[in-house]
Amino acid sequence: DTAVSQTPKYLVTQMGNDKSIKCEQNLGHDTMYWYKQDSKKFLKIMFSYNNKELIINETVPNRFSPKSPDKAHLNLHINSLELGDSAVYFCASRDIAGGYNEQFFGPGTRLTVL
Amino acid sequence: KQEVTQIPAALSVPEGENLVLNCSFTDSAIYNLQWFRQDPGKGLTSLLLIQSSQREQTSGRLNASLDKSSGRSTLYIAASQPGDSATYLCAVRLWYGSEKLVFGKGTKLTVNP
Repeated sequence: DTAVSQTPKYLVTQMGNDKSIKCEQNLGHDTMYWYKQDSKKFLKIMFSYNNKELIINETVPNRFSPKSPDKAHLNLHINSLELGDSAVYFCASRDIAGGYNEQFFGPGTRLTVL
Repeated sequence: KQEVTQIPAALSVPEGENLVLNCSFTDSAIYNLQWFRQDPGKGLTSLLLIQSSQREQTSGRLNASLDKSSGRSTLYIAASQPGDSATYLCAVRLWYGSEKLVFGKGTKLTVNP
């Protein structure tokens, strides 16, 4: 009965590789987000999608490409991985149409780029 | 530019103590403020959300207050327990219709048995 799930939980890869992180929510929410938490523990929003449409893009390098095949999924694809991409990536969702203000977060994906 | 600061960065207390975590934000024009709990290796759990028109919210042993004009919020934890050990984050939502949450760095709380 997981609300917001992410796969994989851990991802270790070499510089220059391309990788994807998947996110799914079973809450029926219409809006999903990707956040990045760096080594200094700052949590910053990267992208937000509402009904499969991009509504926030926070000056993220174009090596990062979110894809929302449907309202329940928001995947993050990263090309040409760099050392600085190492971080924990969190997916979240919210029900905007329902008027709910809380965002619900997934467990995070710890990405390590070697 | 909205900035959120949480002090202290870390706090260690004995079990049973009442404690206060602080959060301040530079721009008082917020829509709401949310307190989260983050456990190691896990995601964020929403604890309390206060709308800008509200002064406080309570849930069990937790009480969050908001003073929008001074740009401050506090999270009060009563009768702390070892299970309360976690990092507590506050985040502000900038305005109605904005989907952007601005987070503080968090306060790492350790409650010692």
